[in-house]
Amino acid sequence: NAGVTQTPKFRVLKTGQSMTLLCAQDMNHEYMYWYRQDPGMGLRLIHYSVGEGTTAKGEVPDGYNVSRLKKQNFLLGLESAAPSQTSVYFCASSRVTNRGWENEQFFGPGTRLTVL
Amino acid sequence: LAKTTQPISMDSYEGQEVNITCSHNNIATNDYITWYQQFPSQGPRFIIQGYKTKVTNEVASLFIPADRKSSTLSLPRVSLSDTAVYYCLVVQYSGAGSYQLTFGKGTKLSVIP
Repeated sequence: NAGVTQTPKFRVLKTGQSMTLLCAQDMNHEYMYWYRQDPGMGLRLIHYSVGEGTTAKGEVPDGYNVSRLKKQNFLLGLESAAPSQTSVYFCASSRVTNRGWENEQFFGPGTRLTVL
Repeated sequence: LAKTTQPISMDSYEGQEVNITCSHNNIATNDYITWYQQFPSQGPRFIIQGYKTKVTNEVASLFIPADRKSSTLSLPRVSLSDTAVYYCLVVQYSGAGSYQLTFGKGTKLSVIP
């Protein structure tokens, strides 16, 4: 099993450009998440999805859109990139259990994005 | 959102027990606590999770007092390979798949030979 994979690993954008980050998981997990990590800030949740066709906002959703058309994929889009979106982006997934609060997340290796 | 506070950094010698405490004063009744480990240039990795009292697994223990306003991750007999950043995460599950997830800013643990 590859676990959680992210594409691309690195990207440099100019202000105003758009791009899509792809996250894929092969563990048949229902839940998927997108985080951003900035120096000294820990991880902040951007959006998450509890199933195919559903998405929800996290702590810092502005400037990002997401889609979950297939269970195994979760896409993060930046329509008009800004320098403030320079960050490392992590995708994660987790399974559904009988106790809804159980939430062991499996993370991908990250995408390092620079916006000039 | 529940706010979490952790020490920025800690040093420990090999073979010692390390305790990292996370403060989450406004934790709600339905919230639970999870800890993750992160090495440079990698995604975080799950360590342990709990709601109250004590939880132990093969790598760590988690102590949560009765008031649940803090939690302590205990790593027994650390080695150099335990040098990493440790994150406390409070998960608020509101039912029907609705979550609020608040990571702390992380504690950088340096293990000294």
